Amino acid sequence: DAGVIQSPRHEVTEMGQEVTLRCKPISGHNSLFWYRQTMMRGLELLIYFNNNVPIDDSGMPEDRFSAKMPNASFSTLKIQPSEPRDSAVYFCASLRGGGVNEQFFGPGTRLTVL
Amino acid sequence: RKEVEQDPGPFNVPEGATVAFNCTYSNSASQSFFWYRQDCRKEPKLLMSVYSSGNEDGRFTAQLNRASQYISLLIRDSKLSDSATYLCVVNVGKSTFGDGTTLTVKP
Repeated sequence: DAGVIQSPRHEVTEMGQEVTLRCKPISGHNSLFWYRQTMMRGLELLIYFNNNVPIDDSGMPEDRFSAKMPNASFSTLKIQPSEPRDSAVYFCASLRGGGVNEQFFGPGTRLTVL
Repeated sequence: RKEVEQDPGPFNVPEGATVAFNCTYSNSASQSFFWYRQDCRKEPKLLMSVYSSGNEDGRFTAQLNRASQYISLLIRDSKLSDSATYLCVVNVGKSTFGDGTTLTVKP
């Protein structure tokens, strides 16, 4: 099993540019989560999906952030326009469901906005 | 007040020491509890679930106190490889992570 796959692993961009982060969950998992981690704020849940449907996006910081899950094997997190304060590590995680609560995290995308 | 609060740390202990971390949570409706481990510049990984009756996995023991709304993690005979950040996770529909406690085990 390949685990959760995220791309890119590192992204450096300039303020104002659009950034798209990608995630492929583990096959058969029906929940997907996007997190952001910084030293100041720790690990924050941004949004999560069940069966490709967004369930809770209350953690999305503002309208510049959007997330989609067009099918069970792919999700994107988009930031447009990006700002320096968006610099963080963004993790995607998936969970099988059906009473199994362990979340499996991807390796993360380290985003730097200059 | 944060939903999940952990000992701030850092904890610096010698090999072989016993160390304990606590984590308090504010929502009495919380349903499930976990400890995750995160190594430097890596993703979090599940260490163990926390059950009402307490549970043990080798040198690690996790306990839950619903009345006082805290969970704990005890590590016995600590190893150099236990050095990491330990994250407390509380679920009420969705997962809320604590800020983590950093442990450094020294020779």
